[in-house]
Amino acid sequence: GIQVEQSPPDLILQEGANSTLRCNFSDSVNNLQWFHQNPWGQLINLFYIPSGTKQNGRLSATTVATERYSLLYISSSQTTDSGVYFCAVEKGRRALTFGSGTRLQVQP
Amino acid sequence: KAGVTQTPRYLIKTRGQQVTLSCSPISGHRSVSWYQQTPGQGLQFLFEYFSETQRNKGNFPGRFSGRQFSNSRSEMNVSTLELGDSALYLCASSRDGPGNTIYFGEGSWLTVV
Repeated sequence: GIQVEQSPPDLILQEGANSTLRCNFSDSVNNLQWFHQNPWGQLINLFYIPSGTKQNGRLSATTVATERYSLLYISSSQTTDSGVYFCAVEKGRRALTFGSGTRLQVQP
Repeated sequence: KAGVTQTPRYLIKTRGQQVTLSCSPISGHRSVSWYQQTPGQGLQFLFEYFSETQRNKGNFPGRFSGRQFSNSRSEMNVSTLELGDSALYLCASSRDGPGNTIYFGEGSWLTVV
């Protein structure tokens, strides 16, 4: 099956800093999503981005499908950005394969 | 519009018991899938249903089962619970086919004692 690797596994930032999270995947995919898992466990969808670039406020994401990686950018980080960020991919079977996540801690 | 709704949110069961979890998808979504999240294994796909049919199944034992009703609501059942079944169970829904975003519910936290 598809392998998904996320880096870094852990990240500690000061409020206001910028960060880049990376997701590498081992095969072509037709779906790639970034999620933020809140402290109550819910996976909040950030981006659906199998290719290209999207922006939503302080967050943006870029997927280079030909090179099999995606990047999530967080600018001007806030304490509310803390949590675990997951990248997940799908290869046409409505079954997401998740990476192991990046645990982000933003300190005031 | 309402999101994916899961019940119950929290439950405690004893080894050997069985449990049923429920999921109501976003209106108009006919694909419903289930995932298990544990600290050791991370997020893993359990199964996916569409039009009351299981279309895809992950690598879990037969104790894990599910079903989907005609209104797209879904249930999953775990029989003969083991301590290792303690996990967050997440339901997700989407419109069918690639190119559609998958949305998750808040999950059901199961503790097996």
